[in-house]
Amino acid sequence: EAQVTQNPRYLITVTGKKLTVTCSQNMNHEYMSWYRQDPGLGLRQIYYSMNVEVTDKGDVPEGYKVSRKEKRNFPLILESPSPNQTSLYFCASSFYPGTSNEQFFGPGTRLTVL
Amino acid sequence: KQEVTQIPAALSVPEGENLVLNCSFTDSAIYNLQWFRQDPGKGLTSLLLIQSSQREQTSGRLNASLDKSSGRSTLYIAASQPGDSATYLCASPPGGGSQGNLIFGKGTKLSVKP
Repeated sequence: EAQVTQNPRYLITVTGKKLTVTCSQNMNHEYMSWYRQDPGLGLRQIYYSMNVEVTDKGDVPEGYKVSRKEKRNFPLILESPSPNQTSLYFCASSFYPGTSNEQFFGPGTRLTVL
Repeated sequence: KQEVTQIPAALSVPEGENLVLNCSFTDSAIYNLQWFRQDPGKGLTSLLLIQSSQREQTSGRLNASLDKSSGRSTLYIAASQPGDSATYLCASPPGGGSQGNLIFGKGTKLSVKP
């Protein structure tokens, strides 16, 4: 089944404790990205990657890191999480962005930083 | 800069009714527009993608239209069912590049009453 998977689905952590949220897709997509969803603010892009070893900032990159060592994986790293990073996070993927390319989203990771 | 607006924020209808969800965007040089469905605690499910050269797309009971000149897209749901209850989001990339970064509306929460 074609899908985007994220782990963990739920995570409660404390301020300053480094964490990684994994994202994997099995559709051979070049493009992958991370979004966060917050009440009243909607979904906003954090980082994106056009292909292996190519990453760039989205609209809200502060406090996050990413890497793209393999085509299928795009982990999101919070080196020193803070309470304002409490949010619902989504990973997305598609073929190289074009007019006809749908984006597919993972099930989400609900993160709480105490 | 692309801005995407969805009105109303919430909508309640009786089962069987045909309904229209609205999406407005500010940049008429639209690349494409995608409609998603989000169930509580779940990820985003892609419903339809309309390319900039298209006027509408259909999938089952769903029909999405695109009018670039007026900056509007509509999602028509025929013969609504309680299972259609969810939040519906529209999204479009910003004009002029970064086609992978979807700018989302805040969604319309639909409730279909049995």
